[in-house]
Amino acid sequence: EAGVTQFPSHSVIEKGQTVTLRCDPISGHDNLYWYRRVMGKEIKFLLHFVKESKQDESGMPNNRFLAERTGGTYSTLKVQPAELEDSGVYFCASSQTYYEQYFGPGTRLTVT
Amino acid sequence: AQTVTQSQPEMSVQEAETVTLSCTYDTSESDYYLFWYKQPPSRQMILVIRQEAYKQQNATENRFSVNFQKAAKSFSLKISDSQLGDAAMYFCAYMSPESNYQLIWGAGTKLIIKP
Repeated sequence: EAGVTQFPSHSVIEKGQTVTLRCDPISGHDNLYWYRRVMGKEIKFLLHFVKESKQDESGMPNNRFLAERTGGTYSTLKVQPAELEDSGVYFCASSQTYYEQYFGPGTRLTVT
Repeated sequence: AQTVTQSQPEMSVQEAETVTLSCTYDTSESDYYLFWYKQPPSRQMILVIRQEAYKQQNATENRFSVNFQKAAKSFSLKISDSQLGDAAMYFCAYMSPESNYQLIWGAGTKLIIKP
C-alpha cells in the first residue's frame, strides 16, 4: 500500500511569488490534514478535510493560504503571495480514523 | 487551551541502554488521546505509540512503552535496548474530540544514539 506522498520535497521561492504544495493521501482515507513546522517552533495544525469538505480550517494563518481537495482525493495548499515567515516544513497526513494519522515526508518551503 | 510540553530539547543514550523522554500536557478535557511520533532524518513522521486517556494500562509497542500518569498529566516514553535506528526527533502530541481531532504538538526531543 502506497503511503502519503507530497510534492515537491523542497521548494525555494522569492517573497511575493506563489507556491502550490500537493498531497496525495493513502487511498480510501477520507480525512486529510495539513500541518506546518516553522523553524524553531512547534508543529501547528492548519486544516482538516473530510473528503472534499473543509471540516476545520481554524489553523490557517491568513487568507494568503488556500487549500483545496479535489473530489476528495489529493489536496493542494497554495500560498499566494509567499512571505518570509511562511518558510518551514509543511506536512500532510491522512487517516481513516481520527486517532491514527499517517504522515507524508513533508515539503520544505524556503522563501527568500 | 491544550498545551504539550517537552522539556528536553536533546537527549543522548548509549546503544543498548534505556532512555526516557518526558512529556507533560495541560487540558481540562477527560476524553483524549496522547501520541509519540518519531521523525528520523529522512523526515517521514512515524507513529510510535498511542495512549487513550480512558485506559489505565500503559501502552507498549515492542521496545517502546509509556508511563501515563493522568493525574499528573505526564506521558513519558521509554525506549529499551536503544538501537542506532532509534535516532530521530521524537514528538509528543495530544488530540481530543473537543479539539476537533487536531494534533497539538510538543516542541520535540532530538534523540542521539551513541555507538
